[in-house]
Amino acid sequence: AQSVTQPDIHITVSEGASLELRCNYSYGATPYLFWYVQSPGQGLQLLLKYFSGDTLVQGIKGFEAEFKRSQSSFNLRKPSVHWSDAAEYFCAVVNSNSGYALNFGKGTSLLVTP
Amino acid sequence: EPEVTQTPSHQVTQMGQEVILRCVPISNHLYFYWYRQILGQKVEFLVSFYNNEISEKSEIFDDQFSVERPDGSNFTLKIRSTKLEDSAMYFCASSGWGSTDTQYFGPGTRLTVL
Repeated sequence: AQSVTQPDIHITVSEGASLELRCNYSYGATPYLFWYVQSPGQGLQLLLKYFSGDTLVQGIKGFEAEFKRSQSSFNLRKPSVHWSDAAEYFCAVVNSNSGYALNFGKGTSLLVTP
Repeated sequence: EPEVTQTPSHQVTQMGQEVILRCVPISNHLYFYWYRQILGQKVEFLVSFYNNEISEKSEIFDDQFSVERPDGSNFTLKIRSTKLEDSAMYFCASSGWGSTDTQYFGPGTRLTVL
């Protein structure tokens, strides 16, 4: 089954600094990939998704992600982090062996310092 | 903006008791899902539901679990006899169509089994 790995459990960045959160997928064909964000006490909100076409995907809140087949990666980036970006970030892939279920990574917790 | 709602936000129950977690998906959506997240672990797929029947389920979704759409608006998850290991955050999600559509998540119900 398709799966994703998020190698970083916690990341700390200073406000205004750039951010990159890593996500690696395992799937032979082109996967359907997503990034979700979870703020404390909130549900999972979709930031962006990739199905095909342009490998650089723009999302909400100034986030973008780049699909790199050669590296099996779908890393999330933001050029300048705001304190409100502190949250848990999840990469996910549609599992074609299980209907349309999402397979999530373990998440990366982002802390933003002043 | 339409959103998925879940009640209650927190449920505490004794081991062996039955619980029903409730969700109101987005009104024109056709696919419904339950996921869970045990504390410190990743979000895991439980079950998907379409056209009034289960379309996929994971190995976690055993005979203790059932889902229902009783009245065309609510979508429920029942756990017949709760176990300590059922303690988790349970997320409901809905999407308009299948694989490429965004799944919109509710805020979750935190289930604590004592």
